[in-house]
Amino acid sequence: GAGVSQTPSNKVTEKGKYVELRCDPISGHTALYWYRQSLGQGPEFLIYFQGTGAADDSGLPNDRFFAVRPEGSVSTLKIQRTERGDSAVYLCASSDRGGGLTGELFFGEGSRLTVL
Amino acid sequence: RKEVEQDPGPFNVPEGATVAFNCTYSNSASQSFFWYRQDCRKEPKLLMSVYSSGNEDGRFTAQLNRASQYISLLIRDSKLSDSATYLCVVIVNSGNTPLVFGKGTRLSVIA
Repeated sequence: GAGVSQTPSNKVTEKGKYVELRCDPISGHTALYWYRQSLGQGPEFLIYFQGTGAADDSGLPNDRFFAVRPEGSVSTLKIQRTERGDSAVYLCASSDRGGGLTGELFFGEGSRLTVL
Repeated sequence: RKEVEQDPGPFNVPEGATVAFNCTYSNSASQSFFWYRQDCRKEPKLLMSVYSSGNEDGRFTAQLNRASQYISLLIRDSKLSDSATYLCVVIVNSGNTPLVFGKGTRLSVIA
């Protein structure tokens, strides 16, 4: 597709379970970002990839959160032992190499995670 | 202190009104500034960049005051379709470093 694709669009899980969220960026975009957004808040940075490597993972809240991008395209955000406080919309965005200068990130529609 | 602070609103204005949003940022090393728009339950999208000299795009004007670490967005002749949340965004360093988002200011334009 032409845009950033995220799956699943909605995920309901129980406290303590493991969750994977997938992001398929725009073809050719080398930079990929994960943000999460809680109700009434702006997007909060989690991790940023340039190619296959995590260029900045300073936003990951703790070691239950992990993300990979093994082939420099699709990325998976993994959350272990989910907690109710993890409930949020997880947004993925991609940009070309100039994104850091133009400020234009292209976001997917997000994966809404609800932890019961 | 939050890196990017905005008045959350909501701002409820009649069609045709002029409305201004303000944003302050804490890191004086911040280099680039933007406004994003987010419709209800949708993803954020870039509205416009903010340049030191100020810039205009149709009914929208963005201004930057580096000395006061302050950014503004002015919307003239508000339309119903302008109803959305407006997110102030800052990049501290260039080169694909993460964008830092404010909480957003919610605007409702009323007929």
